[in-house]
Amino acid sequence: EAQVTQNPRYLITVTGKKLTVTCSQNMNHEYMSWYRQDPGLGLRQIYYSMNVEVTDKGDVPEGYKVSRKEKRNFPLILESPSPNQTSLYFCASSSTLAGGREQYFGPGTRLTVT
Amino acid sequence: AQSVTQLDSQVPVFEEAPVELRCNYSSSVSVYLFWYVQYPNQGLQLLLKYLSGSTLVESINGFEAEFNKSQTSFHLRKPSVHISDTAEYFCAVSVTNNDMRFGAGTRLTVKP
Repeated sequence: EAQVTQNPRYLITVTGKKLTVTCSQNMNHEYMSWYRQDPGLGLRQIYYSMNVEVTDKGDVPEGYKVSRKEKRNFPLILESPSPNQTSLYFCASSSTLAGGREQYFGPGTRLTVT
Repeated sequence: AQSVTQLDSQVPVFEEAPVELRCNYSSSVSVYLFWYVQYPNQGLQLLLKYLSGSTLVESINGFEAEFNKSQTSFHLRKPSVHISDTAEYFCAVSVTNNDMRFGAGTRLTVKP
């Protein structure tokens, strides 16, 4: 089954404790992206990657890091989480082939930073 | 850069009534348009998309959207809603793969 998986689905942590949210896709997609969803703001892009070793900032990158060492994986790293990073996070992937522009989303990771 | 405005944050409607969720976009170049649906505690799923060609696009579960270039709109409609359509709906616009912009979302609540 074609899918994007994220782990963990729920995470409660404390300020300053480094964490990583994993994302993996099995569709051989070149493009992957991280979003955060906050009430009334929709989805905002954090980082994206056009392919292995190619990453770039989205609209809200402060406080986050990413890496793309393998095509299928795109982890999101919070080196020193703060309460304002409490949010619902989504990983997405898509093909860069013509016409394949829709993004496929993971189930989400709900992060609470206290 | 392109942007999206969803004109209604919440739309309550009775079962079997028609519904329209409004979406306007802003862009100086040609765009691709999408509607995604998010059911409770789930990720976003593509509902329908407009890439080119016919301006009226349909989904498999009875929704349709019409691309109106002159009004820069992409409103989502369904002639008769079901309880199971209760969800949050996001309109999105993109020019290339890495610049998809989402609206703030419209929460559709279908009441019996």
